[in-house]
Amino acid sequence: EAQVTQNPRYLITVTGKKLTVTCSQNMNHEYMSWYRQDPGLGLRQIYYSMNVEVTDKGDVPEGYKVSRKEKRNFPLILESPSPNQTSLYFCASSLGERGQETQYFGPGTRLLVL
Amino acid sequence: AQKVTQAQTEISVVEKEDVTLDCVYETRDTTYYLFWYKQPPSGELVFLIRRNSFDEQNEISGRYSWNFQKSTSSFNFTITASQVVDSAVYFCALSEAFGNQGGKLIFGQGTELSVKP
Repeated sequence: EAQVTQNPRYLITVTGKKLTVTCSQNMNHEYMSWYRQDPGLGLRQIYYSMNVEVTDKGDVPEGYKVSRKEKRNFPLILESPSPNQTSLYFCASSLGERGQETQYFGPGTRLLVL
Repeated sequence: AQKVTQAQTEISVVEKEDVTLDCVYETRDTTYYLFWYKQPPSGELVFLIRRNSFDEQNEISGRYSWNFQKSTSSFNFTITASQVVDSAVYFCALSEAFGNQGGKLIFGQGTELSVKP
């Protein structure tokens, strides 16, 4: 089944404790991205990747890192999480980086930073 | 600047009613794409439809239909004979063919639809 998977789905952590949210897709998609969803602010892009070893900042990259060592994986790293990073995170992938490609989303990761 | 506006924050209807969710967008590009996604209470984002700026034909898929009008920069979504399972938050989104962040989606704020039995 074609899908985007994320792990963990739920995470409670404390300020400053490094964490990684994994994202994997099995559709051989080139483009992957991370969004966060917050009440009143909607969905905003954090980082994106056009291909292996090609990543760039989205609209709200502060406090996050990403890597793209393999085509299928695009982990999101929070080196020192803070309470303002409490959010619902989505990973998405699409065939190419142009806007015409449909982005398919993972199930989401709910993160609470205490 | 690109922007998507969903003016209806919440809509409540009774089952079997028809309901239309409004979406108005802004972009300076001539080539762009419009999407609708559904976010049910379980939280995932489910793709519903994609439309390109050169195709203004209305689309129907079962009880769902979409009306794209470039003249008013609108891409409205209608659910006919709504059902309780349609209860969700619906997002309209825009991407530009050659945007500077690849295929970044610009989302509206979402419309929460509640269908009561």
